[in-house]
Amino acid sequence: DAGITQSPRHKVTETGTPVTLRCHQTENHRYMYWYRQDPGHGLRLIHYSYGVKDTDKGEVSDGYSVSRSKTEDFLLTLESATSSQTSVYFCAISSYSGISTDTQYFGPGTRLTVL
Amino acid sequence: QKEVEQDPGPLSVPEGAIVSLNCTYSNSAFQYFMWYRQYSRKGPELLMYTYSSGNKEDGRFTAQVDKSSKYISLFIRDSQPSDSATYLCAMKARDDKIIFGKGTRLHILP
Repeated sequence: DAGITQSPRHKVTETGTPVTLRCHQTENHRYMYWYRQDPGHGLRLIHYSYGVKDTDKGEVSDGYSVSRSKTEDFLLTLESATSSQTSVYFCAISSYSGISTDTQYFGPGTRLTVL
Repeated sequence: QKEVEQDPGPLSVPEGAIVSLNCTYSNSAFQYFMWYRQYSRKGPELLMYTYSSGNKEDGRFTAQVDKSSKYISLFIRDSQPSDSATYLCAMKARDDKIIFGKGTRLHILP
């Protein structure tokens, strides 16, 4: 987890409220990713960023938006939280060019519960 | 057929045993293969990375790739209780995103 922090680490919120999760890196890596991890589904890519202000959708992007205004920060917003978005969210970073990076390094995760 | 298949376990083995973890895949374009270890309530950490076929060894860990069979393995020798974790395989084709297996839960019994 060195060089990657996520905040908050735990959050409980109510259905319909907006929620923002933050990922912060000190590695100056170009690529950043948001995943969710659920039992029976494994890790699923939500959104990723290949540079400041450059983002793209992953396989489960509906209901989520992202922003990256600085190299070190990647924000994930749940526009109107639903119970199906209860999950553990992981941020990852990589230094290679393109989504074709060889390896990704993960943060410690944020456990989100939507009531 | 899912792109990456991994038995979820749990797999329980006695301390000191050799552990074999496996994944199968369907996409013949996969060239890069990785194993991640994830402790409970932690993020995945990269254990092994292999390009194309063959073996790679790192201490007690050996990663093996058989592209002809579309089958990858991770062997853990002299297993320790501290090896108890979930192990995720991951793989990718050139210029494409990483695909993760769902993970195998491993318990090493003291």
